[in-house]
Parts: sequence; structure tokens; C-alpha cells
Amino acid sequence: GAGVSQSPSNKVTEKGKDVELRCDPISGHTALYWYRQSLGQGLEFLIYFQGNSAPDKSGLPSDRFSAERTGGSVSTLTIQRTQQEDSAVYLCASSVSKTSYNEQFFGPGTRLTVL
Amino acid sequence: QQPVQSPQAVILREGEDAVINCSSSKALYSVHWYRQKHGEAPVFLMILLKGGEQKGHEKISASFNEKKQQSSLYLTASQLSYSGTYFCGTALNTGNQFYFGTGTSLTVIP
Repeated sequence: GAGVSQSPSNKVTEKGKDVELRCDPISGHTALYWYRQSLGQGLEFLIYFQGNSAPDKSGLPSDRFSAERTGGSVSTLTIQRTQQEDSAVYLCASSVSKTSYNEQFFGPGTRLTVL
Repeated sequence: QQPVQSPQAVILREGEDAVINCSSSKALYSVHWYRQKHGEAPVFLMILLKGGEQKGHEKISASFNEKKQQSSLYLTASQLSYSGTYFCGTALNTGNQFYFGTGTSLTVIP
């Protein structure tokens, strides 16, 4: 499809396990963002990529969270030793280039539940 | 760095008007507005750039006060389809640092 895709759509895991969330941005979009949205809450910025580099990782909650982007396309968000407070919807968004004046297109999200 | 929105929630009857405000403590390059319906991803509404340029949907009206680092979204003659959570997003420069606001829940009732 032409939109942003994310997988899996739902993930249930046990506390302490590692999880990987994947984002496929729109082809040609150089900027890619990860956000976390807890139930009924706003959009918490996690990290963004310009190409394969991540100029701003300031939003990552702890060193259990990491992300990478390869080939200027697919990105993976990894959460190690998951905790119950990590439960949330993780949204990925991409934009053509400089997001300051270009809209972001969001994927459908991955709902993560940590038991 | 997260902009603050007000009000947090508003309930309208169909046909009524509403204003949603977004305020930042930092100088802004642009302000973006998105709407998120329950269970769905946010959808772009418009961008307001420093200097007065606007990009977005013709039926949406908004303002950007650069001196006060504030933006307002104007929803007139509201329809049931306007219901959702509205987020402003702010860019501090021409790069990609971007932060969403706290959100405003809008409910339109018949």
C-alpha cells in the first residue's frame, strides 16, 4: 500500500521479555518518527530519524528503548526487558523531508500489552 | 518543550463554534494541527508557518501569533464528524524537532 504500515498490530508479551516493533514509512519519506500513546493520553515523542541517523533521541524513556533505521526506510523500535508501564500504542509517522513544513503521515500503530 | 493546549475538553451541540488554543514557551517556526478519532491514527489538518504561509484543508481555519508563540484552531458550525481529539504540534526550527501538545477532546452532540 501507499501508506505507513506497522507490524505487528497487536503484541502481548510477558514482563521481562524483549519486543521489536516495525515501521515501514511511505517510500521516499526521509523523516521518520516514533511516538507512544498511553490510554487516553497525548502523543509522547520518542525518537526521530532523518535518513538513517537519529539526531534526537531525547524522548526515549530509558536505556531499555532503542531504535534503528536502515536503508533510509524501515525502522525498528526495540524494547528490552519490558515492564507493565511500557503498555501503550506505539505510533510511527513519516514525512517527506523537513517536518517543520510538511505533514506527518501516521501508521495504524502497534498496541503493546505487557502482562 | 511540549506545547500546552486549552481547553482540555469541550462538548458542543451541532452547529456551535469552538476555539482550541495551543501555547508554547519556545519560539516557533511552525504549528501543525491534527485530529485523532477514537481508535484511529492522527490525521493532518493544517500547518501554519512563520511568516504567514498556511497549508492544509480549506475548510479549517486557524491563526498563528508568532510573537506570543500561540496558535488557535477555529471550528465553526460544528458537525458530528468533528468529534475527536485535536493535537497541535510545534516545530522549533526548520529541522525535524517536533513536539505534540497535550490534546483537546472535542465532542459534538446532536
